[in-house]
Amino acid sequence: GDSVTQMEGPVTLSEEAFLTINCTYTATGYPSLFWYVQYPGEGLQLLLKATKADDKGSNKGFEATYRKETTSFHLEKGSVQVSDSAVYFCALQKRGRRALTFGSGTRLQVQP
Amino acid sequence: SAVISQKPSRDICQRGTSLTIQCQVDSQVTMMFWYRQQPGQSLTLIATANQGSEATYESGFVIDKFPISRPNLTFSTLTVSNMSPEDSSIYLCSVEFPSIGANVLTFGAGSRLTVL
Repeated sequence: GDSVTQMEGPVTLSEEAFLTINCTYTATGYPSLFWYVQYPGEGLQLLLKATKADDKGSNKGFEATYRKETTSFHLEKGSVQVSDSAVYFCALQKRGRRALTFGSGTRLQVQP
Repeated sequence: SAVISQKPSRDICQRGTSLTIQCQVDSQVTMMFWYRQQPGQSLTLIATANQGSEATYESGFVIDKFPISRPNLTFSTLTVSNMSPEDSSIYLCSVEFPSIGANVLTFGAGSRLTVL
C-alpha cells in the first residue's frame, strides 16, 4: 500500500541554520505531495504542495521539490527561526482520491 | 471563508462510555474526513463521510466502534463508542474547500479525548 517515510526527530538546530527534513514515498502512479505543519498548541496547516514531477512547492521560505526518480519530497529552508519550531508532516494524495496518507512527523526545535 | 469548527475541543471520558464529536463547516463540501492522531503519532484516516450514504471506513476501523453521521453538506459527527484508554487521541475533521483549491485538505483544530 501507499506509505510515507520521514526522518525521525527531533531535529534540533540553531537559529539561522540550514534545514532539511527528508521524506520519501511509496505509491502507485503519480501522487500529489504535501508538507503540513503543526505549531505547538495549534491545528494542522498546509505549508506547501507539489502535484507533479519536478514541481517545486514553496511557502514562508520553505521549499520542496517533487523528485520522481528518487520518490522524494525533502523539505528545506535556508535559515530557520525559533518560530519555525513545530512538527512537520509529509503526506501524499493519490490521483482521484482526496484523503491523505501521512508520514510519522518530524519535530523541529530551533534554539536561539 | 473556509472555517471548520469542532466540538468538543477536549474531554475526559470514563472507560466504557461513548462520546460524539461534531464537525461544522461554513460552506458546503462533498466529502468530510475523520482522522485520528494518537499521542506522539501521525494522523491515520478513520473514514470518509459522504452526505446521503454510509461512511467508508479504512482498514482497522469499523462502524460499530466509530459510527459516523453526515446529515447534510456542512455537518458530520463521529462517535467513539465503548471507549478504552487506547482511544485517547486527537480526532480531527478535514474537508476540501473549493475556495482554497482542489485537492487541498483543511483540518479542524481537533478534539482531544482522554479516556480514564
